[in-house]
Amino acid sequence: QLQLQASGPGLVKPSETLSLTCTVSGGSMSSVDFYWGWIRQPPGRRLEWIGNLLYTGVTHYNPSLASRVTMSVDASANQFSLRLSSLTAADTAVYYCARRALGGEWNSWGQGTLVIVSS
Amino acid sequence: EIVLTQSPDFQSVTPKEKVTITCRASQSIGTSLHWYQQKPNQPPKLLIKFASQSISGVPSRFSGSGSGTDFTLTINGLEVEDAAAYYCHQSSRLPQTFGQGTKVEIK
Repeated sequence: QLQLQASGPGLVKPSETLSLTCTVSGGSMSSVDFYWGWIRQPPGRRLEWIGNLLYTGVTHYNPSLASRVTMSVDASANQFSLRLSSLTAADTAVYYCARRALGGEWNSWGQGTLVIVSS
Repeated sequence: EIVLTQSPDFQSVTPKEKVTITCRASQSIGTSLHWYQQKPNQPPKLLIKFASQSISGVPSRFSGSGSGTDFTLTINGLEVEDAAAYYCHQSSRLPQTFGQGTKVEIK
């Protein structure tokens, strides 16, 4: 059974860069049938798509975050990563890594990791 | 950006009752609309894909319908375990977007 697990710091200072890694187990990332991506949920607010990538490294980002986001993949290690720069309190959220079918639906999710931006 | 608006925001329902949640898109998205259930401190779980396609392992009381701009998630015979927030999501155009959510409470 496919499992995804996000890891990274729970507390980050304003203006710093957040780095999160998602480790995939129970399946291989090396498939053109799936995108891998990040979605976040600020407290009390709706889910927000951050971006996704193929194992080949092709990426798509949300235009509202694109100037601050970088995603990368290490398919051999079954991991993909998110970097989000110039953090503010508005970036405080639960960050989920997930797998998306090419058609569009997110069909497998990690548990999520809470990131608080505060000095 | 396509905006998804769900209604209602909150619903208090008696077990075995029928629940209907709607999702309206700000422009036509065909059937590229998916539904998720999220319980507290858990990630979203896919319930329905492409407006009406069922997902393996999801109880048959969950069903979806609609196309274009108007979509519906129906729970036929609510069970206590269905207390959760429900979100719609569109994958028709980037950026992908989600509805604001509908919280279903058990009376």
